Amino acid sequence: DQQVKQNSPSLSVQEGRISILNCDYTNSMFDYFLWYKKYPAEGPTFLISISSIKDKNEDGRFTVFLNKSAKHLSLHIVPSQPGDSAVYFCAASVAQTGANNLFFGTGTRLTVIP
Amino acid sequence: DTAVSQTPKYLVTQMGNDKSIKCEQNLGHDTMYWYKQDSKKFLKIMFSYNNKELIINETVPNRFSPKSPDKAHLNLHINSLELGDSAVYFCASSQEWGKGAYGYTFGSGTRLTVV
Repeated sequence: DQQVKQNSPSLSVQEGRISILNCDYTNSMFDYFLWYKKYPAEGPTFLISISSIKDKNEDGRFTVFLNKSAKHLSLHIVPSQPGDSAVYFCAASVAQTGANNLFFGTGTRLTVIP
Repeated sequence: DTAVSQTPKYLVTQMGNDKSIKCEQNLGHDTMYWYKQDSKKFLKIMFSYNNKELIINETVPNRFSPKSPDKAHLNLHINSLELGDSAVYFCASSQEWGKGAYGYTFGSGTRLTVV
């Protein structure tokens, strides 16, 4: 049973434009959400996170939006750069219980075209 | 200086064999994990260890056994390998139990192929 879903396996965007990656979850207990970035032959690296008490968190070119009522979050990258080309994983956790178990989506492959 | 290192990077072996994957972290983190990424690219937790104590053990066959000789190491032993075990296995660590959700550091993965 997949509790975190990324329904778009791939996304292509022109350099300089906005990239929007989407993620949906089913477990209403999730209270912490993260995005990881993965290059080929490397492990995922932490990118940005958001707590359920917020609806937006920004870090440079990266912004994560959380819509709790819709159980949806999105990652915006503005402006997109060729170096952003990677697989992006959405993850969720029930952080307040102290559980460290991260539930991952299946990833979205972003290609930024120069 | 690699923060979380796994060896080997690639492992090809026959069905029925027993193999181990090693993981070491030099971050001083308290908790380490093993994740499996299957053919559908789904990352799922297998085990986590906090101070050498197994904390989470998802529905993983008992052919898989984590071994943690110390806080910096979490090895994965797999007995009687099956074709379905073919996957990429990621080791990860986090700073404190209860704060792991705030960011794991992953190793680069071990691609296991069972033939």
